[in-house]
Amino acid sequence: QVLLVQSGAEVKKPGSSVKVSCKASGDTFSTYGINWVRQAPGQGLEWMGGLVPIFGTADYAQKFQGRVAITADESTRTAYMELSSLRSEDTAIYYCARDEGYSGSYYGYWGQGTLVTVSS
Amino acid sequence: QSVLTQPPSVSGAPGQRVTISCTGSSSNIGAGYDVHWYQQFPGSAPKVLIYGNSNRPSGVPDRFSGSKSGTSASLAITGLQAEDEANYYCQSYDRSLRGSMFGGGTKLTVL
Repeated sequence: QVLLVQSGAEVKKPGSSVKVSCKASGDTFSTYGINWVRQAPGQGLEWMGGLVPIFGTADYAQKFQGRVAITADESTRTAYMELSSLRSEDTAIYYCARDEGYSGSYYGYWGQGTLVTVSS
Repeated sequence: QSVLTQPPSVSGAPGQRVTISCTGSSSNIGAGYDVHWYQQFPGSAPKVLIYGNSNRPSGVPDRFSGSKSGTSASLAITGLQAEDEANYYCQSYDRSLRGSMFGGGTKLTVL
């Protein structure tokens, strides 16, 4: 059984950065994609990007290009999402989600979500 | 505005059948990419309901079914139950945007 455990809630100032972690257990880590999906209050799901750890290169949604960095540490089975130049519109729950290792695959496992609040 | 279009809301009485549509284009659903469906309750992470257009993960009741045709896909729920009241999202891949995307979501209300 795959389990994804995310880091705790964060409160950040506008203009700063946040780094959220996602630790995986229970299955092979390196060959499945880890994606980041966010959900603003009362809004829908928004894919931010993802990577397959063994390949190391992340794909990002155009909206977040240049502002987000997704990385993974195979030794600790942990993926990270860092979002910079934060603004109030980035206030959201950020989820990590594991796909089946190919583009367009579904997300069968999700983390519990991390609330990031951006406020001055 | 999402690349995949869903109705904002649908409703039905217990026992009825409802469908939720997901309309895309020739660069995503119409290009042959799979459509997946998720169910999300308030305060919880989404859960996959249908994957690969019409496949149900273990544990998902057969009241839920998915289909795909052309540039659209649909989620059907038969024998509607109060516990089905939730938000539903479709997801696919877009080759022009080179990334995954979700529909805007549909809120299902059981009357």
